[in-house]
Amino acid sequence: GESVGLHLPTLSVQEGDNSIINCAYSNSASDYFIWYKQESGKGPQFIIDIRSNMDKRQGQRVTVLLNKTVKHLSLQIAATQPGDSAVYFCADRLDDYKLSFGAGTTVTVRA
Amino acid sequence: GAGVSQSPRYKVAKRGQDVALRCDPISGHVSLFWYQQALGQGPEFLTYFQNEAQLDKSGLPSDRFFAERPEGSVSTLKIQRTQQEDSAVYLCASSLVAGANTEAFFGQGTRLTVV
Repeated sequence: GESVGLHLPTLSVQEGDNSIINCAYSNSASDYFIWYKQESGKGPQFIIDIRSNMDKRQGQRVTVLLNKTVKHLSLQIAATQPGDSAVYFCADRLDDYKLSFGAGTTVTVRA
Repeated sequence: GAGVSQSPRYKVAKRGQDVALRCDPISGHVSLFWYQQALGQGPEFLTYFQNEAQLDKSGLPSDRFFAERPEGSVSTLKIQRTQQEDSAVYLCASSLVAGANTEAFFGQGTRLTVV
C-alpha cells in the first residue's frame, strides 16, 4: 500500500493568498521526503525536498515542514499565482531506489 | 537534450499486442526510474537502473513487463501481450547520482491505451 497520503484531494485558493497542502506518511523509518508538481499532460516537476534530520526547509515562495512526531508533511506556497494551479504530490523514500507517492492534491487558483 | 525525453507520447495498442516505450534520460545521469501512473493517481514505482544494472524490478506488475538499459543511457520498457489494465501513463525519470534520495527529472510520459 501507499506510504504517504494527502489529507485533501482538492484545494481552491484565491490568487495572492497562501496555500497549504498537507500529507501524512506511515513509514516512521522514512528519511527523505519530496514534493512534486504536475501540470496537465506533463511529467512531475521537482519543487523541494527535505531530509528527516530537518524540520523546515525553504525555497523560492515554498516552504516544506516536517513533523516526525505525528508523521506529517506540509507544503506552503506563498502568494499563490495562477501558474501554481496543478496537482501536487508528496513522496517518501521507501528504500534505496524507490519513492512512494501519494494520490495528489489538485490546487486551483481563483483569479 | 536538455531534459528527459520519452517516445512515443501516445500509444494505442490492441489487447494482446506487444509495445515498447523509450526513454532518453539526461546525459550523464546515473539513475533511471520507470513509474506507472493510473488516471487520477500518483506514480507507482516499476523499476530502477543504476547505469546499465537493473537493481530493483520489484514494482513490475507481471512477467509481461520487461525493462532494459543496455548501455547505461537509453532505456526501453516493453510490455508483452498488453491487457486493458495496462492502460496508464508510463513515466521515466533520471537523476545524477545513485539512489532515490535526490531530485529526479521526469519526462512527459507515454500514455498507453489498450483497446
